[in-house]
Amino acid sequence: GAVVSQHPSWVICKSGTSVKIECRSLDFQATTMFWYRQFPKQSLMLMATSNEGSKATYEQGVEKDKFLINHASLTLSTLTVTSAHPEDSSFYICSALAMDRLWPQHFGDGTRLSIL
Amino acid sequence: TQLLEQSPQFLSIQEGENLTVYCNSSSVFSSLQWYRQEPGEGPVLLVTVVTGGEVKKLKRLTFQFGDARKDSSLHITAAQPGDTGLYLCAGVNTGFQKLVFGTGTRLLVSP
Repeated sequence: GAVVSQHPSWVICKSGTSVKIECRSLDFQATTMFWYRQFPKQSLMLMATSNEGSKATYEQGVEKDKFLINHASLTLSTLTVTSAHPEDSSFYICSALAMDRLWPQHFGDGTRLSIL
Repeated sequence: TQLLEQSPQFLSIQEGENLTVYCNSSSVFSSLQWYRQEPGEGPVLLVTVVTGGEVKKLKRLTFQFGDARKDSSLHITAAQPGDTGLYLCAGVNTGFQKLVFGTGTRLLVSP
């Protein structure tokens, strides 16, 4: 089946650091990738939709200058959390939609971000 | 804003019991998906229901999509400890190509 890889799986860093998370579709090309955030014991909240070669579309309440998304190729999207603070600590999950845009989305295994 | 409310939020049962999880919305979705997520991992798709009134079975799991495509249910028969996890419904709005996730139901099945 389709595989989506996220890297790193876990990162711990100091407050004020910028952190980049990668999301790769390993065996298919993805024109659209999605970034979600999940707090402990809660559901997934969509942060933004990333389309290859164009600007990401952010959900209401998500700061685009805080969460920079780049989708430079059909197999890679990156989420950079700029100047991270403890409140940014969360589980970040990406998913990818294949070029034929047939459902379902394929999810990565997530990245646990802990800001000290 | 489209919302999907799941109930119950948390369910703790003994092995062998049956249970039903509900997913309700005031919005209509083109299809609805159910996922199971384990701690520290991404969600894993269990099923997609597309047609109003559709019923799908996956071993001991039975999924139903409401006639009006606004709600869904997941029934587990004879639950096992391996069924433990976070169950998420997600509505698909094809026009926007986005998934709207439900609030989640955390299931704990004890031996």
